[in-house]
Amino acid sequence: DAKTTQPPSMDCAEGRAANLPCNHSTISGNEYVYWYRQIHSQGPQYIIHGLKNNETNEMASLIITEDRKSSTLILPHATLRDTAVYYCIEDNNNDMRFGAGTRLTVKP
Amino acid sequence: DVKVTQSSRYLVKRTGEKVFLECVQDMDHENMFWYRQDPGLGLRLIYFSYDVKMKEKGDIPEGYSVSREKKERFSLILESASTNQTSMYLCASSLMREQYFGPGTRLTVT
Repeated sequence: DAKTTQPPSMDCAEGRAANLPCNHSTISGNEYVYWYRQIHSQGPQYIIHGLKNNETNEMASLIITEDRKSSTLILPHATLRDTAVYYCIEDNNNDMRFGAGTRLTVKP
Repeated sequence: DVKVTQSSRYLVKRTGEKVFLECVQDMDHENMFWYRQDPGLGLRLIYFSYDVKMKEKGDIPEGYSVSREKKERFSLILESASTNQTSMYLCASSLMREQYFGPGTRLTVT
């Protein structure tokens, strides 16, 4: 079973920041937090990952709380093409468990 | 870019048939994975492999087997397909931690 908790759905206005939360209260010290997304009819796509520090890449930013029990994925300027299911996963040596994720709908 | 390809996007098989789902990656990745995805259940890990001829069971291996004879190819085998194996099957590969997924095979067993 997945070890993370995410809201089932969220809406975001096009051009605004999308902030997707994730709780991972049982995460252990050597487990990374990974984010993937899945656009309809495609395989999941890797977005970003982190251990303790906040991370940023060309797709998104990842903010991890100091106690590492939760994190937030930020899409700074959401577009319609960002509509997808977003998965937050704890990963320890490739032992990943995908939950149901958050269905993000970006609206014009 | 990493490319993971799966042999078919859509497949229809009859109950009791032996089914082979093929997955090929072109980035020399050590690790390969098979998942199935069903509505309301998310992705569930069936089998994975860390090296040629090595395999490990995931969460739901029953009714499936795998073969990894070459590094780039990881096959999922349904020895005797059943209707409850109707699903979307996703293959992935990884070198370190981030996994790269193929487009998926939607298998229907009638």
